[in-house]
Amino acid sequence: SQTIHQWPATLVQPVGSPLSLECTVEGTSNPNLYWYRQAAGRGLQLLFYSVGIGQISSEVPQNLSASRPQDRQFILSSKKLLLSDSGFYLCAYRDSGNTIYFGEGSWLTVV
Amino acid sequence: GQQLNQSPQSMFIQEGEDVSMNCTSSSIFNTWLWYKQDPGEGPVLLIALYKAGELTSNGRLTAQFGITRKDSFLNISASIPSDVGIYFCAGGLQGGSEKLVFGKGTKLTVNP
Repeated sequence: SQTIHQWPATLVQPVGSPLSLECTVEGTSNPNLYWYRQAAGRGLQLLFYSVGIGQISSEVPQNLSASRPQDRQFILSSKKLLLSDSGFYLCAYRDSGNTIYFGEGSWLTVV
Repeated sequence: GQQLNQSPQSMFIQEGEDVSMNCTSSSIFNTWLWYKQDPGEGPVLLIALYKAGELTSNGRLTAQFGITRKDSFLNISASIPSDVGIYFCAGGLQGGSEKLVFGKGTKLTVNP
């Protein structure tokens, strides 16, 4: 069966520090992968999606970047965090039936 | 871009009551999905709809894919306290788009 896991679950980082959130998917090959951000528990904003290794599409201009070094690994990064980067970040993958499944989420607080 | 209008934004009901929420759009979708999110967790898929007019149940939940392809509803019967959470609809666009469009969510509160 397919599973998705992201970490860390909770992160408190100072302004200006770097960020790395990691996501891995098991039980499937060449999945479409996504990073979403959710502010204040409402509304899912698509940040990045990837249809294959090294292929990243950015949805909104921002202080974040994404990379896909391996088929089932998706990383969300920042070189210098801003206060406005705080939020709940969700990794997701899409199955062959056009259904998206989410990871557990990562809470980021920038202080 | 495409948008989904999800309503109501929030609901406060008594345990045992039925609940209905819906999503509408001016765009046509070929997939409709309904998710539930508990606080601090990722959304969990409840029901997936792939065909116009399709009516699908999952326990006390029932969802339908509108025949115009522009809307969907989710009903919850005989609500219980654990139904509390935020419910999201999502539409998959025609043409094989890689992305889903999400509604802004319906926050459900169930009073025991």
